[in-house]
Amino acid sequence: DTEVTQTPKHLVMGMTNKKSLKCEQHMGHRAMYWYKQKAKKPPELMFVYSYEKLSINESVPSRFSPECPNSSLLNLHLHALQPEDSALYLCASSQDPQGRTEAFFGQGTRLTVV
Amino acid sequence: RKEVEQDPGPFNVPEGATVAFNCTYSNSASQSFFWYRQDCRKEPKLLMSVYSSGNEDGRFTAQLNRASQYISLLIRDSKLSDSATYLCVVLGSGGSYIPTFGRGTSLIVHP
Repeated sequence: DTEVTQTPKHLVMGMTNKKSLKCEQHMGHRAMYWYKQKAKKPPELMFVYSYEKLSINESVPSRFSPECPNSSLLNLHLHALQPEDSALYLCASSQDPQGRTEAFFGQGTRLTVV
Repeated sequence: RKEVEQDPGPFNVPEGATVAFNCTYSNSASQSFFWYRQDCRKEPKLLMSVYSSGNEDGRFTAQLNRASQYISLLIRDSKLSDSATYLCVVLGSGGSYIPTFGRGTSLIVHP
């Protein structure tokens, strides 16, 4: 099983809303990632969790707040987003936080901010 | 200079053609290399890992050239279903072990 599950698949939210994206994997992977992808661009790293601790925050605005409740789950809390935050949000996981193994991606959440 | 560079294409080829993509990386200490395939509005999916000894899977062959710091992907006997964006991913680029993506190469296979 190389599955990373993301919910919801689609989300439309207003600029004053609070919502959360969820990501789950049961592969025992110890590194989990959030990426943001705009159309015709490669995925852009947002956050990295290594052994459930936030290890990298790529200068992401505080309106995005990650959370890793346990080794299988990763959340991304959204608050007061802007229309330019509309994008595909991808969660990924990999076995080795030292980066020697491939990453597996979830199907993504397509977010539209109105 | 970007850490991972790819020609964005598009590469427009007929069915049955052989097509090759290259990807260059800037950090000679980079450790792991992968090719991902991404279809329109879908997530990236792992296509192949790239090893120093090369890696072949059916019609797909990936190679690593550490001396020149590039990896390649060769697709033989292209199918219509091969049409996608091919993303080069490097780990250990820029001194970190985070998957770093190239911008992707678009492949269009036509009848």
